[in-house]
Order: sequence, then structure tokens, then C-alpha cells
Amino acid sequence: DVKVTQSSRYLVKRTGEKVFLECVQDMDHENMFWYRQDPGLGLRLIYFSYDVKMKEKGDIPEGYSVSREKKERFSLILESASTNQTSMYLCASSFSTSSNQPQHFGDGTRLSIL
Amino acid sequence: DQQVKQNSPSLSVQEGRISILNCDYTNSMFDYFLWYKKYPAEGPTFLISISSIKDKNEDGRFTVFLNKSAKHLSLHIVPSQPGDSAVYFCAASYYGGATNKLIFGTGTLLAVQP
Repeated sequence: DVKVTQSSRYLVKRTGEKVFLECVQDMDHENMFWYRQDPGLGLRLIYFSYDVKMKEKGDIPEGYSVSREKKERFSLILESASTNQTSMYLCASSFSTSSNQPQHFGDGTRLSIL
Repeated sequence: DQQVKQNSPSLSVQEGRISILNCDYTNSMFDYFLWYKKYPAEGPTFLISISSIKDKNEDGRFTVFLNKSAKHLSLHIVPSQPGDSAVYFCAASYYGGATNKLIFGTGTLLAVQP
């Protein structure tokens, strides 16, 4: 079974802090994704990566950056956290670029910015 | 503009009966549609998918129907069980940039009453 592990289940940070969310997958997947989930809005794509050091913006990249130095690890960075970034963050991975390959999700990090 | 819509935020069904979850989309370029199930405090898990060239896909108690002319898909669960109680997300897949990406609906909370 695919295992996507997010380093923290719950995180509380202060406005203006630099925040790192870490994600690791154990199935040698090429693609990794970061989403945020908010009530009434579903899951929205922040950034994705299709190879080591390769990244592309998703639908809501403002205020975020990402890093993928190793194939198994994909980090989401909040450069200067703001209260409107309080959310559930979900990491996902998929094997290939084929549309029929489902994405596999971690259990999420609930981030609160005070 | 929401390209994937789930207009029912919640649905309540008796155990043993059929659950029907609906999803509408606007973009004809989507090539796969997927359903994910999400329990509280867990990440979404892939349930079933359908190619845009098919109109039905079945996997055990779960069947997805696609009506391309109406840009509508539905997930049928028969018979419904209490363990099916979860949030169900519809997602549409398209090839954008370097890999396939998903657009999610806002989710439907299914409650199966014993």
C-alpha cells in the first residue's frame, strides 16, 4: 500500500512566522501535490511537483512556496504566515502522468495561525 | 468559477438502501472522473473512477454513472452500510502543464442511519 506521511497532524503558529509542512511518500512516485481543504470550498491545489527540483503553481499559490530536493519528500513553505492560511493541508502523490492514476493522500495537517 | 459542483452538502440514507451522490461539471476536456471518500481526521482515499469514454463503471457495491451530454456523474452505493458514512468528493482529471491534475468538488456528507 502507498504510504504518504505528513510530519504533523496539528500545528499552531503565529502571524509572520515562516512555516514548513513536510510530506514523505514511500512508493517512488513521480508526482507530488499540496492542497488545502476549507469548508464549502473542497480541495484546492496549491503547488505540485512532477520531478525532483521541478515544480508548478496550482490554483492558489500566493503566499506559499515548495521544495523538492529528493524524490520522496515534498515541502510546503508559508513564507510569512497569515490568519487566512489557517486550514487543513493535504499532501498527495501519484505514480505517473496518466489521468487514470489516482492520487494517494496523507492524513493532513491542521494548521492554525494565531 | 466552480468547474466541478456537488450541489448537495449532505445526504441521509437508511442502512440497506441505495445512496446516490451527484456531481456536475462544466469542462468537456476532463478525461477521467474520480470519487474519493474522506473520514474525519484522515486523508481522502480513492474509491472508484471512470473514463470519459465510458458511461458506467462498477466495483462491488459502488457504481459510477457518467452522462456526458448532461455533464453529470453519480455514485451509487448499494446496499448502504453505516461504515459508508463519510464525506464524498467528486474530482475531474485533466492534463495541464507537466502532469494530470484534479479539480475537486466541495463534497457531500453521507450519513447512513442504522
